[in-house]
Amino acid sequence: SQQGEEDPQALSIQEGENATMNCSYKTSINNLQWYRQNSGRGLVHLILIRSNEREKHSGRLRVTLDTSKKSSSLLITASRAADTASYFCATDSLSQGGSEKLVFGKGTKLTVNP
Amino acid sequence: DAGVIQSPRHEVTEMGQEVTLRCKPISGHNSLFWYRQTMMRGLELLIYFNNNVPIDDSGMPEDRFSAKMPNASFSTLKIQPSEPRDSAVYFCASSGAYGTTNEKLFFGSGTQLSVL
Repeated sequence: SQQGEEDPQALSIQEGENATMNCSYKTSINNLQWYRQNSGRGLVHLILIRSNEREKHSGRLRVTLDTSKKSSSLLITASRAADTASYFCATDSLSQGGSEKLVFGKGTKLTVNP
Repeated sequence: DAGVIQSPRHEVTEMGQEVTLRCKPISGHNSLFWYRQTMMRGLELLIYFNNNVPIDDSGMPEDRFSAKMPNASFSTLKIQPSEPRDSAVYFCASSGAYGTTNEKLFFGSGTQLSVL
C-alpha cells in the first residue's frame, strides 16, 4: 500500500524560526492529512487538504499540496517550544474490498529550542 | 466529550499470556480503527470497523490477533498468546464518517504494551 514519507526525519530549530516538513507519496490521492503527536500521547489532527486544493492555512500552520509532484509541505511559522512534537502526514489508500484506509508516514521529529 | 478512551494505559505481561486492550470511541462516531506504533515500522493500521462491522483486517499480523466491536461504544483487541515482538503502543481512533479518508481521526492516548 502507498505510504507518505516525511522529510526530514528530524529537525531542530530555534524558537521564532519557521519549520518546514515535507511529505511525498506514491500514487494518486483524494486528500492528505497532517497530524501531530506529542511524546507519549495520541495523534492530533491538524489539517486536511483535498486533492483539488493547493494551499490551506490554520493559524500558524500552512499546508501546500502539489499533486503533480505527489508532495505536500507543512510550514509552522514563528515556532514555539510547545510545537516540539512529531508530525505525520497521512494519505488514503485502497485496501481489500475496495475500501479506503488512511496510511501514515513515519513522521518528522521537530524540536524547537527556547 | 471525553474523547477516545483506551485502557489500560500500560500493560506489562509475560510471553504466552493473553492480552486484551479496550477502547471506547467518541459517542456518535461510526468508524473505529486500531493502529500499532513502533519505532521500526511506524504507525500501522491493524483493523477498522464501520458501524461495528470489520471492514479491513488485512493489517492484523497473524491469527494471534483478534478484534471485536460488540456495540457502537466498545471495542477490544486481543493478543493470544502474546510474544515479545508484539511490544508496541496500540492506538484506537474513531471517526464520524463512513469510510476513512475524508474526515479526521480522533486518537486515544494509547496502550503501551510490553511483553517480556
